[in-house]
Amino acid sequence: DTGVSQDPRHKITKRGQNVTFRCDPISEHNRLYWYRQTLGQGPEFLTYFQNEAQLEKSRLLSNRFSAERPKGSFSTLEIQRTEQGDSAMYLCASSLPFSTNEKLFFGSGTQLSVL
Amino acid sequence: GQQVMQIPQYQHVQEGEDFTTYCNSSTTLSNIQWYKQRPGGHPVFLIQLVKSGEVKKQKRLTFQFGEAKKNSSLHITATQTTDVGTYFCAGKHGSSNTGKLIFGQGTTLQVKP
Repeated sequence: DTGVSQDPRHKITKRGQNVTFRCDPISEHNRLYWYRQTLGQGPEFLTYFQNEAQLEKSRLLSNRFSAERPKGSFSTLEIQRTEQGDSAMYLCASSLPFSTNEKLFFGSGTQLSVL
Repeated sequence: GQQVMQIPQYQHVQEGEDFTTYCNSSTTLSNIQWYKQRPGGHPVFLIQLVKSGEVKKQKRLTFQFGEAKKNSSLHITATQTTDVGTYFCAGKHGSSNTGKLIFGQGTTLQVKP
């Protein structure tokens, strides 16, 4: 399968615990994005990388959230001291930049439930 | 802040009727994209519009980008049950080099057979 892969598909955690999600983009894509989506809402931008550089981060993102893409391939998103309000679907997407059709390819997401 | 507003939030139509969703931004967009998300699925790219006043068609779907590059619409002619899902517009503000794509709230389409 050459699509965007996310792991785990589901995560249930207790409030206050740390969680980490992984995203493997399409191999030739050098842009990688993290979005968060809650029921009935559109994907909310969190951050994006071009290769290993984190180029932009949402101002809405608290300092409990951190993302890395150390070798410009896979990425991890960590949430520290989770809160119930963090419960959402976390979507990863990748793309090729500067193309005539810069479409995002989304993974199936990680559904986080904070109890 | 940078926002993309989309209306209506929900639309129920009888199969065979037409459907339109509208997308508006307070600032000029460098381009706009449309995605479809089926229930339980993830967003899937439909199309990208870049030029002012651009119109593109995909079978029964017609996409428009406004002259001022601040609004867009998606029109589906003669809906089918396979059109069910949530349609999102997503815009890039400012420089076309930025990777930040802002999504609207989506329009959920239900089609009654």
